[in-house]
Amino acid sequence: AQSVSQHNHHVILSEAASLELGCNYSYGGTVNLFWYVQYPGQHLQLLLKYFSGDPLVKGIKGFEAEFIKSKFSFNLRKPSVQWSDTAEYFCAVNAWEYGNKLVFGAGTILRVKS
Amino acid sequence: DAMVIQNPRYQVTQFGKPVTLSCSQTLNHNVMYWYQQKSSQAPKLLFHYYDKDFNNEADTPDNFQSRRPNTSFCFLDIRSPGLGDAAMYLCAGSDTLTDTQYFGPGTRLTVL
Repeated sequence: AQSVSQHNHHVILSEAASLELGCNYSYGGTVNLFWYVQYPGQHLQLLLKYFSGDPLVKGIKGFEAEFIKSKFSFNLRKPSVQWSDTAEYFCAVNAWEYGNKLVFGAGTILRVKS
Repeated sequence: DAMVIQNPRYQVTQFGKPVTLSCSQTLNHNVMYWYQQKSSQAPKLLFHYYDKDFNNEADTPDNFQSRRPNTSFCFLDIRSPGLGDAAMYLCAGSDTLTDTQYFGPGTRLTVL
């Protein structure tokens, strides 16, 4: 069955620390990849997406993610986090061979200490 | 930006009392989705509409129904809410099945 794995459910960082959140998926074919963020009390917002082309994609608020096809991974990174990055982050994958359903990972709760 | 609007933001109902949640979108998205999200869990797809075509997920309980009277509006009906149906319900829209989905703010349902 299709699955999306996010390695850490909770991450705590100090401001200015670097961030990397892992995401792996289990599809073998062509995929579209997304990172969504959910700030406390707010709705899911798109951070960035990968459909094709340059595997290093840049999103809003200084986030980027790298698609590594051989590793089935799409890790999210930010060089220097801020307190305002405290949120829950969801990786999601959409694949034609699975009916184009958007399948989410379990989410990673990031807390940034000021 | 895509706008997906959900009303109400908070809904309280009684066990077994039918409830309807509404969603509207302003960019003529062809596809609209309903997700259920429980605390600290990923959103779970309940069903989606591609235009007027309704697509139910295999594990969505019969208690959950949906209507899409026109392109802009989509409703989620819970016929007999149980305590286990308390959750955040998210509506989303996209142009096609493979495009980016834009989410509304959600309706938090409490079942007493």
